Amino acid sequence: AQSVAQPEDQVKVAEGNPLTVKCTYSVSGNPYLFWYVQYPNRGLQFLLKYITGDNLVKGSYGFEAEFNKSQTSFHLKKPSALVSDSALYFCAVRDNTGGFKTIFGAGTRLFVKA
Amino acid sequence: DGGITQSPKYLFRKEGQNVTLSCEQNLNHDAMYWYRQDPGQGLRLIYYSQIVNDFQKGDIAEGYSVSREKKESFPLTVTSAQKNPTAFYLCASSIDQPASGYTFGSGTRLTVV
Repeated sequence: AQSVAQPEDQVKVAEGNPLTVKCTYSVSGNPYLFWYVQYPNRGLQFLLKYITGDNLVKGSYGFEAEFNKSQTSFHLKKPSALVSDSALYFCAVRDNTGGFKTIFGAGTRLFVKA
Repeated sequence: DGGITQSPKYLFRKEGQNVTLSCEQNLNHDAMYWYRQDPGQGLRLIYYSQIVNDFQKGDIAEGYSVSREKKESFPLTVTSAQKNPTAFYLCASSIDQPASGYTFGSGTRLTVV
């Protein structure tokens, strides 16, 4: 069965510092991996995805994610955090066996302090 | 602009009452999904539909029902059989390909009163 784990409930960083939000996955076959962000009382917004190719994927708002096949990880990163990045972040893996369902992690709340 | 519209934004349900949450998309997406979000539990799949007039149960379908009579619309009914319906409900849609991400609506917050 496919699954995704976000080991940290929350991450706190100071504005201007780099941030990392961790994600590990378990899939059979090639993974389709996604990051989404959710602001309070809103739906999720797509940030970036890894399908194939370069291990470093660039997305919206200056975010990027590094795919590591040997460690089965897909960590979200940003070189310099902004207070406005404070939100709930979800890692997700999409079923690549024909079912087309997406499995979401439990979410990591990011706090960026001014 | 294309997108997904969920209504209402807030909904209050009395004990024993059925309520219906609306989800409409104008993205021409084939697949639509309903998720439930509870604090600390991430998103759990209720129902999904890959094509008109067809839908499948997700992980927590008990106490919920859906219909897919039109490609644009995927309403969710929370029935009286759902004993703990208070949650944030999210509708999403996607192209029916595994490499496609989801587009989400802005959600409906349902509260039992």
